[in-house]
Amino acid sequence: KAGVTQTPRYLIKTRGQQVTLSCSPISGHRSVSWYQQTPGQGLQFLFEYFSETQRNKGNFPGRFSGRQFSNSRSEMNVSTLELGDSALYLCASSSSGSAARLNEQFFGPGTRLTVL
Amino acid sequence: TQLLEQSPQFLSIQEGENLTVYCNSSSVFSSLQWYRQEPGEGPVLLVTVVTGGEVKKLKRLTFQFGDARKDSSLHITAAQTGDTGLYLCAGALATDSWGKLQFGAGTQVVVTP
Repeated sequence: KAGVTQTPRYLIKTRGQQVTLSCSPISGHRSVSWYQQTPGQGLQFLFEYFSETQRNKGNFPGRFSGRQFSNSRSEMNVSTLELGDSALYLCASSSSGSAARLNEQFFGPGTRLTVL
Repeated sequence: TQLLEQSPQFLSIQEGENLTVYCNSSSVFSSLQWYRQEPGEGPVLLVTVVTGGEVKKLKRLTFQFGDARKDSSLHITAAQTGDTGLYLCAGALATDSWGKLQFGAGTQVVVTP
């Protein structure tokens, strides 16, 4: 079974621009979560989608948004980029079946975003 | 402020030595995971523990979940260079939806030949 895939792997943008990152979960997984990882803050939860609905949201400004499609693929968007948005953005998928109670998440390789 | 406190932050040992990483919190978690992350890659799930007092072994790695489900430890016996990486503990609060994990800051482990 293929793992979680994220595109692109690397991205360089300038302040003020906007960016869209994509995530394809493991086949059969309906929950997709997004995290931001920085050296100073570690992994911080952004939001989680399940069946095209945002089920939970972290403490990030409204510039960070996401969506999920009917095939469970997800995208996240960051508008008006700031230097502090430079980070590794990680997507994780998890099962919605009986194994869901374990809260196990399987991560993709991440998208490294650099804002200049 | 992170709900999960990991210690130590950095650990450098020689091959063959043992090491223990700790993950502590004042919150109760419904489950707790340990991940290992290598540079430029996403975290890879090592184990999940859900029952207070649970002990799981994965070859040379032993994971323990505290009786009160507030803390956990990872013990590596006879470390190898392949064990080098960032070890992260992560927990799911009972009050959060299944998709949200709280992460510790991580323990960077370096195993030298």
